[in-house]
Amino acid sequence: AQTVTQSQPEMSVQEAETVTLSCTYDTSENNYYLFWYKQPPSRQMILVIRQEAYKQQNATENRFSVNFQKAAKSFSLKISDSQLGDTAMYFCAFMKGYSGAGSYQLTFGKGTKLSVIP
Amino acid sequence: NAGVMQNPRHLVRRRGQEARLRCSPMKGHSHVYWYRQLPEEGLKFMVYLQKENIIDESGMPKERFSAEFPKEGPSILRIQQVVRGDSAAYFCASSPRAVSNPEQFFGPGTRLTVL
Repeated sequence: AQTVTQSQPEMSVQEAETVTLSCTYDTSENNYYLFWYKQPPSRQMILVIRQEAYKQQNATENRFSVNFQKAAKSFSLKISDSQLGDTAMYFCAFMKGYSGAGSYQLTFGKGTKLSVIP
Repeated sequence: NAGVMQNPRHLVRRRGQEARLRCSPMKGHSHVYWYRQLPEEGLKFMVYLQKENIIDESGMPKERFSAEFPKEGPSILRIQQVVRGDSAAYFCASSPRAVSNPEQFFGPGTRLTVL
């Protein structure tokens, strides 16, 4: 079974600064996907960024980037130029690669509550 | 292009009543997933359905919970004889299930409160 650990229950960052959220995971799979989801106070789950395990290049989406360390099973999210609208819960999630039982199940960490301070 | 729709957004039930949660996937999506989020927790997988088929219900409690995705209409998650421990946010997600795109698109969730 896969597990996802987010060791920072809460974090805060000044507006316009950079913050990094940590995520580690445990799996015996070689082919998988990793995701970061954002859950603002509205509770809607919004995909922020995704990484395929077979890709060595770290994914980037505008102000959001990841540091994917496959050997260390680490998948951190960096938010640059933080904005007030980034205030939310952030969940790291794992999905097995496209084969076999459970390859469609997302396994989530417990989340990190990020507050952006004006 | 409407996203995943869930209703109701908020549902209050007394212990012993039934709760019915509905989910309409995004247009063109034939795969639906239900997740439950307990307070202070991440989302946990419950069930995966395709039209008229339950593919994987390994995350569903064995009793009182059932799910369906009929040929016509929304997917329904049904909880019979609700108890206080069922209070949670229930999220539905859908996907086109394309091999190249594992992304699941989430609805806004239904917050169930059991009194």
